[in-house]
Amino acid sequence: DAGVIQSPRHEVTEMGQEVTLRCKPISGHDYLFWYRQTMMRGLELLIYFNNNVPIDDSGMPEDRFSAKMPNASFSTLKIQPSEPRDSAVYFCASSLQESAGYTFGSGTRLTVV
Amino acid sequence: QKEVEQNSGPLSVPEGAIASLNCTYSDRGSQSFFWYRQYSGKSPELIMSIYSNGDKEDGRFTAQLNKASQYVSLLIRDSQPSDSATYLCAVTLAGRRALTFGSGTRLQVQP
Repeated sequence: DAGVIQSPRHEVTEMGQEVTLRCKPISGHDYLFWYRQTMMRGLELLIYFNNNVPIDDSGMPEDRFSAKMPNASFSTLKIQPSEPRDSAVYFCASSLQESAGYTFGSGTRLTVV
Repeated sequence: QKEVEQNSGPLSVPEGAIASLNCTYSDRGSQSFFWYRQYSGKSPELIMSIYSNGDKEDGRFTAQLNKASQYVSLLIRDSQPSDSATYLCAVTLAGRRALTFGSGTRLQVQP
């Protein structure tokens, strides 16, 4: 298995632009998680899905953030408009269960200037 | 109080020594506990999981859980320079079934 695949690996964008991050989970994993990692706040859960349905989006910072999972093999996290404080590494992870170990993707390093 | 607390370190140990990493959590109802390792610039990778009180060993790694004290630890025996990384504790808190991560402890193993 290729593991959890995220794209792009790096993204540099100007403030106010729309950013879309992509994730392909491990086949057969019913749970998909989006986390954000910064030096100040560590790893924070943004949202997670079970069988393509959002279960908990309480970690999504504000309305500028949205996430979708149109099918079992693809999810997107969109930020519109982006702000410099959104700069972070965004990780996607997948799992067979909510409370089992997660497999993380390589992450997307987002820089908003 | 943070929900999952770890000393940020760095924890510095000589090669061959035992490294002891600690984590406390706030929710007495927590059921599942994990240790992840994260090398600089890389993604977290799962090392150990533990669900019941006591010790669980896997190679050079031992996870210890004490639910009464709300404490979970990771021991690394015969530490190697390649063990130098940040170690993240993760817990499933009651009412939030996805993992909540601590801020991590940076371990440095000196050759």
